[in-house]
Amino acid sequence: DQQVKQNSPSLSVQEGRISILNCDYTNSMFDYFLWYKKYPAEGPTFLISISSIKDKNEDGRFTVFLNKSAKHLSLHIVPSQPGDSAVYFCAASSGAGSYQLTFGKGTKLSVIP
Amino acid sequence: DAGVIQSPRHEVTEMGQEVTLRCKPISGHDYLFWYRQTMMRGLELLIYFNNNVPIDDSGMPEDRFSAKMPNASFSTLKIQPSEPRDSAVYFCASSRGRIGAGANVLTFGAGSRLTVL
Repeated sequence: DQQVKQNSPSLSVQEGRISILNCDYTNSMFDYFLWYKKYPAEGPTFLISISSIKDKNEDGRFTVFLNKSAKHLSLHIVPSQPGDSAVYFCAASSGAGSYQLTFGKGTKLSVIP
Repeated sequence: DAGVIQSPRHEVTEMGQEVTLRCKPISGHDYLFWYRQTMMRGLELLIYFNNNVPIDDSGMPEDRFSAKMPNASFSTLKIQPSEPRDSAVYFCASSRGRIGAGANVLTFGAGSRLTVL
C-alpha cells in the first residue's frame, strides 16, 4: 500500500512556463513533507520542504503548497528552465513515529527549450 | 564537506555471489539510511541506524540482506547470496537529528548500481 503517491510518471513543459508536480498521501500522521530532485546517475538532492503547520513555502522559483484536508501537496516551478529537467520525488515524514522518509515513485519533468 | 560517499558506483556480479556495498556518511550525522530504488517499487527504505545502532530493519527484504555500522563513519550492506531480482540502485543517506526538526533533511550519496546476472 503506497502511502505517498505521485500519479503522473512524467510531465513535459515548455521553457518559461509553469511546472506543477502533484503528490497525494494517505497517512494522516505525516507532518513534514519534502521534495527531492534527481538527475541521472546521481543521488536525490533536497529541493524544498514544508511543515504541516503551513500551507505554503517558497524558495526562489520553487513553491510548495500543502492542502491537509485533501492530503495533497504540489510543487510549482516558475519559470521552468531546461536545467530543471529531472525526476522529482515527493517524500513525507511522521515526527510522531519513526525518523524515516516515505517516498513517492517520482515524476520525470522534461522542460523543452 | 565531501557529502555521503558510496562505493562501488557500479557492481556486476553473478547470481549466488556475495555483494558488499559501502557507505561513509557525512561527519556529524547521527542517522544513516539504506534505500533501494527499482522501477517497480521506487525508493524504499531497507534499514536505518541511529548512533551506529540499527533501529528499524523491517524493510530488509530477506535474510540474504544484512547491514552493519561498526562506527560512525562507515556502514555496509551485504547481500549473500545475490539473486537477479536484487538488481537495483542502492542509496545510502544520512541526517543530523530528526527529519523535519530544525529543517534537517536527508542527504543522499550517488548510489551503487547493482546488476546480478
